[in-house]
Amino acid sequence: AQSVSQHNHHVILSEAASLELGCNYSYGGTVNLFWYVQYPGQHLQLLLKYFSGDPLVKGIKGFEAEFIKSKFSFNLRKPSVQWSDTAEYFCAVSPGSQGNLIFGKGTKLSVKP
Amino acid sequence: DAGVIQSPRHEVTEMGQEVTLRCKPISGHDYLFWYRQTMMRGLELLIYFNNNVPIDDSGMPEDRFSAKMPNASFSTLKIQPSEPRDSAVYFCASGIAPYEQYFGPGTRLTVT
Repeated sequence: AQSVSQHNHHVILSEAASLELGCNYSYGGTVNLFWYVQYPGQHLQLLLKYFSGDPLVKGIKGFEAEFIKSKFSFNLRKPSVQWSDTAEYFCAVSPGSQGNLIFGKGTKLSVKP
Repeated sequence: DAGVIQSPRHEVTEMGQEVTLRCKPISGHDYLFWYRQTMMRGLELLIYFNNNVPIDDSGMPEDRFSAKMPNASFSTLKIQPSEPRDSAVYFCASGIAPYEQYFGPGTRLTVT
């Protein structure tokens, strides 16, 4: 069965530190890839998405993600985090060209001021 | 657009009672999804509809759960009878494709 793995359950960083959250998926074919963010007490919001083309995708609020096909990975990065980035981050994969989203279990990010 | 609208935002009920959660998708979106989020299990897809027709309900936990979409602008998720283990945040999402999903604010359900 297809699955999405987010290796870090909880990441704690100080402000201005760099961030990288891992995401791996198990599906050999074409995929669409997504990162969602859920701020405390709020709903999921789309952070960025990859369908095709340049494997380095830039999203909102300074986030970016890189698709590495050979590693089945789509890691999220931000060079310098802020306290307001404290949230839970979900990686999601849509297998094939019209597949549903399969979500990872999420990584909670806490940024200390 | 107002986005996906869910009601109620919070629901507290006693075990054994019927609970109905409501969702109004974004106008023009053909897909509608119901998710459940808990600390233990994360985000789980319960069921999704395309053009008001249920496509995949394999995530519905048991017969106590049912979902309907009588028209393009309204869907319900019903739990009857409710149990404490149903306590969770229930999200509705809609989209123009199965992978383009816009989430509502969620309904926090507490069953005592």
